[in-house]
Amino acid sequence: AQSVAQPEDQVNVAEGNPLTVKCTYSVSGNPYLFWYVQYPNRGLQFLLKYITGDNLVKGSYGFEAEFNKSQTSFHLKKPSALVSDSALYFCAVRDERNNAGNMLTFGGGTRLMVKP
Amino acid sequence: DSGVTQTPKHLITATGQRVTLRCSPRSGDLSVYWYQQSLDQGLQFLIQYYNGEERAKGNILERFSAQQFPDLHSELNLSSLELGDSALYFCASSVAGGDYNSPLHFGNGTRLTVT
Repeated sequence: AQSVAQPEDQVNVAEGNPLTVKCTYSVSGNPYLFWYVQYPNRGLQFLLKYITGDNLVKGSYGFEAEFNKSQTSFHLKKPSALVSDSALYFCAVRDERNNAGNMLTFGGGTRLMVKP
Repeated sequence: DSGVTQTPKHLITATGQRVTLRCSPRSGDLSVYWYQQSLDQGLQFLIQYYNGEERAKGNILERFSAQQFPDLHSELNLSSLELGDSALYFCASSVAGGDYNSPLHFGNGTRLTVT
């Protein structure tokens, strides 16, 4: 079975400061990892993914994520937060051994609040 | 704009009723996924169709059913509705023609309110 945990319901950061949104996962095989962002009354938007290769993945809007296999983590980061980054962020995983389609398992979401 | 279209945007109905939610995937995408988002359960995978065939099933109730048509649009049917079915229902699509690494692209959802 595949699962994802986002340990923080909310992260508060001041504009211009670096931000980190945490994610840990559990799979039996190799993980395919994704980050999505959800703005109010909108669907989820894809930010970035890790499949293989370099542990630091760069995505949209200046976001990046670091894959750490030993800690089974995939934390989302940004060097300098913007007020417009305030939104709900979801981490998702797919186990490479999951042959039942391409379905993703999502974490519970972390609300990011960036204050001016 | 993700290219995934969901209708209607909002739906208000009474307990015991039946509703149909509709989804048109991105052009070229063969897979359609349905997710339910509620405050207490988070994002729950319901079901996936690939090129008209059911591919994977998640936490979908027996009162719910879905299908994907030859033109690849999909419908999610919810029947004998209960108050607890009130949620945001998302459709997503992906190429998923063997590429299991492709991200899902989500529509803006249908907000269902059962009164």
